[in-house]
Amino acid sequence: QVQLVESGGGVAQPGRSLRLSCAASGFSFRTYGMHWVRQVPGKGLEWVAVLWSDGSKEYYGDSVKGRFTISRDNFENTLYLQMNSLRAEDTAVYYCAREDYGRLGRDFYYYGMDVWGQGITVTVSS
Amino acid sequence: DIQMTQSPSSLSASVGDRVTITCRASQDIRNDLGWYQQKPGKAPKRLIYAASNLQSGVSSRFSGRGSGTEFTLTISSLQPEDFATYYCLQHNSYPRTFGQGTKVETK
Repeated sequence: QVQLVESGGGVAQPGRSLRLSCAASGFSFRTYGMHWVRQVPGKGLEWVAVLWSDGSKEYYGDSVKGRFTISRDNFENTLYLQMNSLRAEDTAVYYCAREDYGRLGRDFYYYGMDVWGQGITVTVSS
Repeated sequence: DIQMTQSPSSLSASVGDRVTITCRASQDIRNDLGWYQQKPGKAPKRLIYAASNLQSGVSSRFSGRGSGTEFTLTISSLQPEDFATYYCLQHNSYPRTFGQGTKVETK
């Protein structure tokens, strides 16, 4: 079945780095854009980053721009989030999610995130 | 950036009630809006995409309407499993933005 499984979370000190992974299965990973979304415990959802299916474009939220890097390996069906210069406010549950899309002829239409991983906890604390 | 203003932030309702949640976008997003349900400790689950399209497998008591800047999610007859937090998400442009969430609690 279609599945996303995050790993790599844990505790890191402020200023240090952590890399999250998201293993995809059950669908053609290389044809989908992929996102990271995070949620501070007890708070709302915050979009973090997106990477195009072929890796050609990426966008970031303002709070992580310049510190986080999204990447993917379409042979290993895996999405990554490299998190550098971590801050206490990066403490959250991180979800990877798939971008739903449709195609009509040569035109693509995008419909937001349809499949989500179970989430992985990142705690930034000294 | 597009701001999504969701209301109310919480509501109390009973099983069988009709519930409506609203999201307003700070600019025209056509019909590029989705609705998500999240239960404690779980990932969000998409209910509606493109403003009014029901996600496969989701109960037809959920419906979405709207276009441009104003959108609604309606639960026609609230069921026990519907007590959760609901979020809207605009997928018109980057950065993607979520509404602040609406927690549906039992009265």
